[in-house]
Amino acid sequence: QQQVKQSPQSLIVQKGGIPIINCAYENTAFDYFPWYQQFPGKGPALLIAIRPDVSEKKEGRFTISFNKSAKQFSLHIMDSQPGDSATYFCAASITSGTYKYIFGTGTRLKVLA
Amino acid sequence: GAGVSQSPSNKVTEKGKDVELRCDPISGHTALYWYRQRLGQGLEFLIYFQGNSAPDKSGLPSDRFSAERTGESVSTLTIQRTQQEDSAVYLCASSLVRSEAFFGQGTRLTVV
Repeated sequence: QQQVKQSPQSLIVQKGGIPIINCAYENTAFDYFPWYQQFPGKGPALLIAIRPDVSEKKEGRFTISFNKSAKQFSLHIMDSQPGDSATYFCAASITSGTYKYIFGTGTRLKVLA
Repeated sequence: GAGVSQSPSNKVTEKGKDVELRCDPISGHTALYWYRQRLGQGLEFLIYFQGNSAPDKSGLPSDRFSAERTGESVSTLTIQRTQQEDSAVYLCASSLVRSEAFFGQGTRLTVV
C-alpha cells in the first residue's frame, strides 16, 4: 500500500511531442504528489507538485493531471525539447504528519532533436 | 548553506571496509532523508529523520547500515563491511515539514 507505481520505464519522443508519464498509488492518505526531474550526475530537483483538491496544475510546459477517484496522476510535457531529456520521478507523501516521500521507479525520457 | 551538501562526491572503497557519508541539510530544515539509487533505477528509501522524533529506519537494508543526525544539522550514513551490492549513489534530501524535499548531488559509492 506504500508503493507508487510509475510507467513507462522509458520513453522516446520527437521534439515538439507530448510525452505522458503515469503514476498510480494505493494509500488514500497521500495528499501531496510532486514530480522530480533528474539529469545525469545530479540529484533530483522538484519540477511541479499537486495536491488532491485540484484536478490539474500547469507550470510552463509541464502539466499534472490528477484523478482522485482512480488514484492516478500523470505528467504531461508540452512542446517537448531535447533539453527535457532526463529521468522523471513521481512521488507521494502525507503532509499532515511527519511522513517520508515514496518515489516511483522513474521514467527515462529522451527527446529527439 | 544554499543547498543540501553531500561529501564526499565520490568514494571508492575495498570490499569489507567501512564508509561514512555526510550530509549537510539546508539550514532550518527539520526533516532529512537518505535514499539509495542504484544505476538506472529509482530512489530506494533508507532512513528519515524528523526533528527530535525517533528516526524511521524501515528502509535500511541490513544491520550493516546505520545513520545518525545531530539535532537538526549534519547527518552521517555509515555502511559497515561494505559489499559490492552496496555500490550506488546515496542521496540526501532535506525539507521543512509539509514542504518540498531538496536533494543534494549525491555520493557515488563504488565498492571494489
